[in-house]
Amino acid sequence: GAGVSQSPSNKVTEKGKDVELRCDPISGHTALYWYRQRLGQGLEFLIYFQGNSAPDKSGLPSDRFSAERTGESVSTLTIQRTQQEDSAVYLCASSQQGGNTQYFGPGTRLTVL
Amino acid sequence: GENVEQHPSTLSVQEGDSAVIKCTYSDSASNYFPWYKQELGKGPQLIIDIRSNVGEKKDQRIAVTLNKTAKHFSLHITETQPEDSAVYFCAASRYNTDKLIFGTGTRLQVFP
Repeated sequence: GAGVSQSPSNKVTEKGKDVELRCDPISGHTALYWYRQRLGQGLEFLIYFQGNSAPDKSGLPSDRFSAERTGESVSTLTIQRTQQEDSAVYLCASSQQGGNTQYFGPGTRLTVL
Repeated sequence: GENVEQHPSTLSVQEGDSAVIKCTYSDSASNYFPWYKQELGKGPQLIIDIRSNVGEKKDQRIAVTLNKTAKHFSLHITETQPEDSAVYFCAASRYNTDKLIFGTGTRLQVFP
């Protein structure tokens, strides 16, 4: 079946502009996660959605970052007033309810000039 | 806070040799430990995982061991092949929260 998909695959933007990144989880997966991966580094947790529960936003680095999820489907990660340090690959993952295994999408490479 | 340390950062082996990557974690409530392989330009792919009620798990050439007392776990790859070359990440999570805390990665190079 289809895996996690993300769009766009690449995004180049100018400092100060807003960007929206999209994630389509695996159908039926109730949990959705966003991570950030800076060049040559590990993955940093950003935010986690589980069903209708309040999202865990503990990893968001500043109030310029926000995310929404419509029901148990698509999620968008928004970064306002982008800064050069926001340049990274943004990865989305999903998992089944009660399951630990997270399946990752290919990521969106964001470059802020 | 929660932390996962991973060593070594780079590892070069000859084809056919074994490779071992080690991780330690700080959160004693962690009970799920996956390993991911990431190839260039792709998202991480789960290769093996272990839960805290098990000490060792094996899948063909890949095995993972867990020592809960010492809070460390290791990935063992035997009979390495050039296609094993990639970056490998360990991670840890608590069952209830599910967010993964990742190590910093190991770049494995297998030379033919």
